[in-house]
Amino acid sequence: QQPVQSPQAVILREGEDAVINCSSSKALYSVHWYRQKHGEAPVFLMILLKGGEQKGHEKISASFNEKKQQSSLYLTASQLSYSGTYFCGTKPRGGNQFYFGTGTSLTVIP
Amino acid sequence: NAGVMQNPRHLVRRRGQEARLRCSPMKGHSHVYWYRQLPEEGLKFMVYLQKENIIDESGMPKERFSAEFPKEGPSILRIQQVVRGDSAAYFCASSPTSSATDTQYFGPGTRLTVL
Repeated sequence: QQPVQSPQAVILREGEDAVINCSSSKALYSVHWYRQKHGEAPVFLMILLKGGEQKGHEKISASFNEKKQQSSLYLTASQLSYSGTYFCGTKPRGGNQFYFGTGTSLTVIP
Repeated sequence: NAGVMQNPRHLVRRRGQEARLRCSPMKGHSHVYWYRQLPEEGLKFMVYLQKENIIDESGMPKERFSAEFPKEGPSILRIQQVVRGDSAAYFCASSPTSSATDTQYFGPGTRLTVL
């Protein structure tokens, strides 16, 4: 039930854009996005609750397509501070386990 | 408002010893999740607890691992007779309820090294 993320890794130059996808074989009730820097704890970015919902956090936004059981994270005009591993996460409706995606390593270079 | 606290931050044990990891959730949170993260890998769910109850331990090995969240005090993840394969970062996260829409807030993690 672990969501699959793509791409696995991406390298960007400062100012470039990136899209990270998260797909699940199970129905998604909500999607959480986290960023983890090396050696640190995951930090919450945003949560999407409804199909079609889009949210933004500075230059990072996300969408949630409930029918396709997927979510995408958009990073625009990337900054060096965006480097890290991005995880999507989901908890099935009525379930107890929280499943994190496979992760996407993002590296922003000058 | 203090965040999620974990201690120790680093723990070194020899094979066969016991490791005890502690997690104090955010104030007002009564739900705790434990995750294990191997180097360069993602977070794997281990166990979900509410005060005095284990709600779901399906991600935790049945041998040597146990968890508790007493009425008073932190949640504890205990690993008995540690082996080298237990070396990993262990994170706990807390949330106010069990809702799938609640944000989980993570502690800084305990990095366990088994010699």
